[in-house]
Amino acid sequence: DVVMTQSPLSLPVTLGQPASISCRSSQSLVYSDGNTFLSWFQQRPGQSPRRLIDKVSNRDSGVPDRFSGSGSGTDFTLKISRVEAEDVGVYYCMQHTHWPHTFGQGTKLEIK
Amino acid sequence: EVQLVESGGGLVQPGGSLRLSCAASGFTFSSYWMNWVRQAPGKGLEWVANIKPDGGEKRHVDSVKGRFTISRDNADNSLSLHMNSLRAEDTAVYYCAAWGSTNIWGQGTLVTVSS
Repeated sequence: DVVMTQSPLSLPVTLGQPASISCRSSQSLVYSDGNTFLSWFQQRPGQSPRRLIDKVSNRDSGVPDRFSGSGSGTDFTLKISRVEAEDVGVYYCMQHTHWPHTFGQGTKLEIK
Repeated sequence: EVQLVESGGGLVQPGGSLRLSCAASGFTFSSYWMNWVRQAPGKGLEWVANIKPDGGEKRHVDSVKGRFTISRDNADNSLSLHMNSLRAEDTAVYYCAAWGSTNIWGQGTLVTVSS
């Protein structure tokens, strides 16, 4: 199985400051059709997960543009340009290039 | 309104069976890959199974293979997960999720396996 490793696992951030989460995969996530199936999810306390970004950098509808995704191959990053209070929660990367789909361990973002 | 509503969770003894259901509305269910994802108490997300839009292809994670079966009824806009030989480690909130250009999640249903 593809292992997804996130860092850091805990991320205290001051309101208005940027935040960055790294996600590394144990093998390349480039599919045979050239797509890279790496997604980012947000799970706010007590809520269901919500996809923020698909295929590395494509923001889902309704996701604020302060969220951005980048990366390639085995190395990916989720960035929040200016953290707001509503961003508190756990962030997961997930690959769906290889079977079985696998998630990272999660990064807990909190406000300092 | 676009939504997925899970049902069928509850308390079951080890070795028992349970059937989870997920009712879809507000979107073209038959166009989406459908998934079950679970989350053990206080833990991260684990993908469990998925099924192609036409139901012709199904996949299950190794830890549930042979015990769980995903199925769908496009005429009824519904998704199911039949769970047999349940173990304590299957205790989790089970989410159904539609994945495609849009990503839709249900609110989850709790399955507790305990004697």
